[in-house]
This record gives sequence, structure tokens and C-alpha cells, in this order.
Amino acid sequence: GQQVMQIPQYQHVQEGEDFTTYCNSSTTLSNIQWYKQRPGGHPVFLIQLVKSGEVKKQKRLTFQFGEAKKNSSLHITATQTTDVGTYFCAALQGGSEKLVFGKGTKLTVNP
Amino acid sequence: GAVVSQHPSRVICKSGTSVKIECRSLDFQATTMFWYRQFPKQSLMLMATSNEGSKATYEQGVEKDKFLINHASLTLSTLTVTSAHPEDSSFYICSARSGQIDSPLHFGNGTRLTVT
Repeated sequence: GQQVMQIPQYQHVQEGEDFTTYCNSSTTLSNIQWYKQRPGGHPVFLIQLVKSGEVKKQKRLTFQFGEAKKNSSLHITATQTTDVGTYFCAALQGGSEKLVFGKGTKLTVNP
Repeated sequence: GAVVSQHPSRVICKSGTSVKIECRSLDFQATTMFWYRQFPKQSLMLMATSNEGSKATYEQGVEKDKFLINHASLTLSTLTVTSAHPEDSSFYICSARSGQIDSPLHFGNGTRLTVT
């Protein structure tokens, strides 16, 4: 089945530094979703990208969808301790309603 | 916003017993709910798709007789872990959509199952 590859698996930054996580697929995606899971919590939807080359911003978070709709990235500018958690990308498995998640990137921020 | 309630949040049971986990959509109807399992420091693994009024669809490698899913109404799906063993200890999370298939998933708070 369709797989979404996500890197890096872990990222440790100093507060104020930037952070980026990347997702790649071997197939064209209809859309891609991003979720954040705080330690001990459940995944919470952040955003969905649908259009080729789409860029969306949420405050310090910038989400991009590649031109070929096979890759996506989440960039956080000037990280804060509240940004800690695991960020997952997710995409629909081709032709189905099932959402397949990347392995996630666990972000830790050193104050 | 759409809310999914999952209960219990934590459960400890003895090996050989069964545990039922409930997942409710509180302010929307969910014809389909999804059950995920998450091991420590790992991603979400889809276990099964729960369909209201019909049998659940299980992912490859997931034992349907061990993980019984019942979706009796448009707002309730249950997952029963039967004859639990320590290796079944995990974080189980349900989710549902309040819209079309490309709309976001709303997750329950999850259930931390520990089998002793």
C-alpha cells in the first residue's frame, strides 16, 4: 500500500531555532494532512494541503505541498517550548478512505 | 468543532481478561470510525475501519477475533481486546471524520492499555 516517508525521525533544537520536517511519497497524493501530537496526547489536525505548490501559514508554521504533489514540508520559525511534540504527515491511501501516517518527527526544544 | 470521546483513558487488566474501549462522536454522526494503535515512540498504525451496521475491515496482520469491533450506531464504535496478553499493551486511539473522505480525522484522547 501507499507509504508516506517522513524525516527526520527526531529533531532537537534550541529555543529560537528553526525546524523543518519533510514528507515524501512515491505516488501522487490527492492531498496531505499534518497533525501534531503532544507528549501523552492524541493527534490534533493542523492543516490540509490540496493544490500543487500550495503554501499555507499558521503563525510561525509554514506548510508546503510540492509541485508534483509527492512531497510536503512543515517549517517552524523560531521554535518555542510549546512547539514540542511529534509532527505527523498523513495521506489517503490510494482509492480508499484510510489515512496513512508517516512515522512522525519528534521535536524537542531546549529552553 | 467535532469532538470524539474515548473511554476509558487508562486501563490495567490481567492477562487473559477482555477489555472494551468505547469511542463516541459527540456532535456529529460517523458512519465510519478508524481504530489506530500506537507503540511507544512510533507512528500510528491503522488496525481496522469500523463501519456502522456492518462488519469492520481489518488491516493485514490484525487478528479480527482478538480485536472485536462493533459499530452499533452512528455515534458509537467499540473495540474489545479479548484474552489480553502483555504484548497487547499499547495506546489505542479511535478517530472519525465529520465530513467527506478527504476531510481531517478527529481523534479521541486514546486509551492506554496495560496488561499485567
